[in-house]
Amino acid sequence: AQSVTQPDIHITVSEGASLELRCNYSYGATPYLFWYVQSPGQGLQLLLKYFSGDTLVQGIKGFEAEFKRSQSSFNLRKPSVHWSDAAEYFCAVSKGGADGLTFGKGTHLIIQP
Amino acid sequence: NAGVTQTPKFRVLKTGQSMTLLCAQDMNHEYMYWYRQDPGMGLRLIHYSVGEGTTAKGEVPDGYNVSRLKKQNFLLGLESAAPSQTSVYFCASSPGWSWELFFGEGSRLTVL
Repeated sequence: AQSVTQPDIHITVSEGASLELRCNYSYGATPYLFWYVQSPGQGLQLLLKYFSGDTLVQGIKGFEAEFKRSQSSFNLRKPSVHWSDAAEYFCAVSKGGADGLTFGKGTHLIIQP
Repeated sequence: NAGVTQTPKFRVLKTGQSMTLLCAQDMNHEYMYWYRQDPGMGLRLIHYSVGEGTTAKGEVPDGYNVSRLKKQNFLLGLESAAPSQTSVYFCASSPGWSWELFFGEGSRLTVL
């Protein structure tokens, strides 16, 4: 079965600084990878996804992520964070079946002024 | 632009009571899902459906039942609520071909 690890439970970043959120997955074949964001009291919104091809994928709100097969990683990055980026971020993996996504436990992002 | 709509958004139950959460999607998606979210646990799949009249168990199905009588609706039932079922429940749908999930805003359930 596939699994996802997000090693950082909380991350604090100053506004305007760069951000990298880590995600490692466990799956034998090439996975489908996703990053979702959840603002307080809200549902989850898709930031970006990787299926195949270019290993650097661009998403909404200025986010990007890089798939590294050798490291089984799919880290999320943003060059300059804004206070509105404060939220919970979830990495997820699918093996391409109908049984949904497997989510990591999330990383809570705090933005310092 | 309704997308995925969940009702109710908040509910308080006493142990042993029953209730049903309703999920409705207007995107004509084949697949629908129920997840629960607990602090520090991420989202865990309860049940899912790959089409009208079908359901399947996910990672944490015990204590829940589901039905998909119409393509656009997916119901999650608790027959005898327990405090361990206090959680935020999310419904999601997917067209299938992209594996992307579209989420509702969640239903917060408290069982006393």
